[in-house]
Amino acid sequence: SQQGEEDPQALSIQEGENATMNCSYKTSINNLQWYRQNSGRGLVHLILIRSNEREKHSGRLRVTLDTSKKSSSLLITASRAADTASYFCATAAYSGAGSYQLTFGKGTKLSVIP
Amino acid sequence: SAVISQKPSRDICQRGTSLTIQCQVDSQVTMMFWYRQQPGQSLTLIATANQGSEATYESGFVIDKFPISRPNLTFSTLTVSNMSPEDSSIYLCSATGEGTEAFFGQGTRLTVV
Repeated sequence: SQQGEEDPQALSIQEGENATMNCSYKTSINNLQWYRQNSGRGLVHLILIRSNEREKHSGRLRVTLDTSKKSSSLLITASRAADTASYFCATAAYSGAGSYQLTFGKGTKLSVIP
Repeated sequence: SAVISQKPSRDICQRGTSLTIQCQVDSQVTMMFWYRQQPGQSLTLIATANQGSEATYESGFVIDKFPISRPNLTFSTLTVSNMSPEDSSIYLCSATGEGTEAFFGQGTRLTVV
């Protein structure tokens, strides 16, 4: 079942601007991850934030997590045309027998205009 | 990290036929998964491929329609059986290692006519 809900569904910005995408979820999680997908191809893992972390950085990416509100945000700073893609949040929850299951949100389609 | 090779990358199939998608990982992984992604939509988990035993299917997916094999730690197949146009979608193979970070194949874009 779908857990993550991203907003906005689509975002169009100018190159150099910052892009912010939000994700909300419903149940307890072990961690939350963000993925990128270009044109219906395979997903690429961007960043993972654990449930006991509040903020994490990786290059131009900044992720926050608020477990009390069950929400996360992904900020891409100084966007580039090459950042154009769909971005998905995914929550990881323990599914038993030592394994975790990822549940993906609906995604935000980001367009960066040169 | 793991590199996943998935094939075919795309196919156009006649209704009523079956297609088998292969997924090969370049290293031993703990878990392998199969997802379906409708155009413009999110990923829906079809099943977890278990090594040497029957796959674990999610609600709405059954073994007769989507038989899955995983004969070893690095290889899995998904078959889409008795296809109809509603099966047109992108099918994605995924794997996780020690952690929960997932690696994905490039996907198989299936069109059923």
